Amino acid sequence: NAGVMQNPRHLVRRRGQEARLRCSPVKGHSHVYWYRQLPEEGLKFMVYLQKENIIDESGMPKERFSAEFPKEGPSILRIQQVVRGDSAAYFCASSPDRVSFNEQFFGPGTRLTVL
Amino acid sequence: QQQVKQSPQSLIVQKGGISIINCAYENTAFDYFPWYQQFPGKGPALLIAIRPDVSEKKEGRFTISFNKSAKQFSLHIMDSQPGDSATYFCAASMNRDDKIIFGKGTRLHILP
Repeated sequence: NAGVMQNPRHLVRRRGQEARLRCSPVKGHSHVYWYRQLPEEGLKFMVYLQKENIIDESGMPKERFSAEFPKEGPSILRIQQVVRGDSAAYFCASSPDRVSFNEQFFGPGTRLTVL
Repeated sequence: QQQVKQSPQSLIVQKGGISIINCAYENTAFDYFPWYQQFPGKGPALLIAIRPDVSEKKEGRFTISFNKSAKQFSLHIMDSQPGDSATYFCAASMNRDDKIIFGKGTRLHILP
């Protein structure tokens, strides 16, 4: 009974490179949320997606960041031209439906380090 | 703009003691208040949650106390154990929104 899976668990990129973070939700869940956690900080909401739709991206930086959740396959958080300030832990969560959004199950996170 | 303020930032408690973590919120539209537990290298896991129509909720050694008029809520861990050592986050959300707003976290250490 797999929970939320994220890969890679650790990612190292040099400034200017692209980072791609993948999230496979709990089987049967069609709602995915991405959060960012800076050191010594709480999680900050970034984006909420359903299959093939972005529902709420109010927490996404306007530039360089994008997210998708295709009909088939995992959700992807893409960061283009990474900068040192992007170093953080990125967590994905999923819920079975809109009504149950409070019951978000979190993955183990991807720790991004930008050199 | 931080909407959920959490204190203390870190806490050390003797084994068997009571751990208390406090949170305050600003937005009266919040209607769901969960607490998450996070171990190093792991994602946060839902521990216990409360809605504002009750003043207290207890699950085992964990209790949430909720004061709607003061816009404050707290987590009490009774008979604290070394295995409870983790970072705890309070959070809040509202039904018409889809995001969970997290506090900054409390790093709890239980002395053996």
